[in-house]
Amino acid sequence: GAVVSQHPSWVICKSGTSVKIECRSLDFQATTMFWYRQFPKQSLMLMATSNEGSKATYEQGVEKDKFLINHASLTLSTLTVTSAHPEDSSFYICSARSKTGLDTQYFGPGTRLTVL
Amino acid sequence: GENVGLHLPTLSVQEGDNSIINCAYSNSASDYFIWYKQESGKGPQFIIDIRSNMDKRQGQRVTVLLNKTVKHLSLQIAATQPGDSAVYFCAENTGFQKLVFGTGTRLLVSP
Repeated sequence: GAVVSQHPSWVICKSGTSVKIECRSLDFQATTMFWYRQFPKQSLMLMATSNEGSKATYEQGVEKDKFLINHASLTLSTLTVTSAHPEDSSFYICSARSKTGLDTQYFGPGTRLTVL
Repeated sequence: GENVGLHLPTLSVQEGDNSIINCAYSNSASDYFIWYKQESGKGPQFIIDIRSNMDKRQGQRVTVLLNKTVKHLSLQIAATQPGDSAVYFCAENTGFQKLVFGTGTRLLVSP
C-alpha cells in the first residue's frame, strides 16, 4: 500500500518551453501533496504544499508563477514548470500524505528534468 | 556561498556489520520523525518512524532511537547488506504539515 507514482520519469526540453509533471497516489486518497526539488548530492528542498481543492502554499523563494501547482483531486497533483531554463534542471519529487491524518509522507519515484 | 551538501557524510561498513547513522534535528517542538532511504535516481523510501512520546522503536533489522534532550536521532541497521547501500535521510515534522530533511548520510556496504 501507499504507492505514489510520477509521470514522466524523465524529460528533456528546450529552454523557454513548459513541462508538466504528474503525481498520483495509486492506492490511497491524499488530501495533501508536496513538491520537492533535489540537486545532486543534496537533500530534498520543499517547494510547495498542495491541498486538494485549494491554492498551493509555496516556500519562501519559490516563484509561484513559474512553478504552477494544481491539486484537482484526492489522487492527482500536477507541477508545471513554465518557461523552463537550464537552471531549472533538477530532480523533482512529489510526496503524498494520506487522508487518514497520519503524518507519514510517501514519495514518488521522482522526475529528472533537463533543460537544454 | 559554500554548498555543504556536496560533502555528504559517508559511512563505510562491511557486509554483516551493524550500522549506526546519526542525525541532529533542529526544532525542539518537532513531534514526529521519519527515516528515509534513497537509492540513486529514485525517490525516498520510508523505513521507520517514531513519535516524540517514544525513545525507541524497532522494525525488521532496523531500530530508531530518539533522544529529545540533545535533539538526536539515530538509525541502527543490523547485519547490513549490500542492498542497504544508499543515502539515508532523517526528517522531522515541525508541526506545520511539513517535513524538514537532514543533509543525509551515504551508507556504503562492502561485500
